[in-house]
Amino acid sequence: NAGVMQNPRHLVRRRGQEARLRCSPMKGHSHVYWYRQLPEEGLKFMVYLQKENIIDESGMPKERFSAEFPKEGPSILRIQQVVRGDSAAYFCASSPIRYREYEQYFGPGTRLTVT
Amino acid sequence: AQKITQTQPGMFVQEKEAVTLDCTYDTSDPSYGLFWYKQPSSGEMIFLIYQGSYDQQNATEGRYSLNFQKARKSANLVISASQLGDSAMYFCAMREIGDDKIIFGKGTRLHILP
Repeated sequence: NAGVMQNPRHLVRRRGQEARLRCSPMKGHSHVYWYRQLPEEGLKFMVYLQKENIIDESGMPKERFSAEFPKEGPSILRIQQVVRGDSAAYFCASSPIRYREYEQYFGPGTRLTVT
Repeated sequence: AQKITQTQPGMFVQEKEAVTLDCTYDTSDPSYGLFWYKQPSSGEMIFLIYQGSYDQQNATEGRYSLNFQKARKSANLVISASQLGDSAMYFCAMREIGDDKIIFGKGTRLHILP
């Protein structure tokens, strides 16, 4: 029973390039959450998606960032025209049901470095 | 306003001693859940323990226990008989029931000394 999978684990991009981060939730989970962890900080919520729907994007920067969770395939967090400040660890979590207390299982994270 | 406060940026503890990691939280919602996560140097987030706001007893999971003091809005993590493998970053977190996101504190870096 595989856990939440994220790829790539490490991603290096030059300023101005696009970054695509993928998240495959646990089997049977249809709710996906993305969090960002800046160096020496805790995780900060970015967006919550269900299949084909963005439910809560209150933590997403207004520009350059987008997320999707298509009917088939992984959830994608897309960062256009990356800047150095986007360097961070990006974690995906999934859960089987909305509003269940602790059932958000985290993936291993993608470490994005912008040079 | 900061919702989760971890006042200890770093701690050094001798192996086999017990350690308490402090966490205070702020919410006006009567229903919420409190979590502790461990983040070792490899970077993954490992769920340790959960406490619901209406739970009557303090949560325990093996060597981990959560000292929940509701009136003080305190949710300290206690690790008994610490081990070298406990060296990691520890995050306290909260989720208000009915909200989608988990809110994390800034973390405490724990070093276990041999």
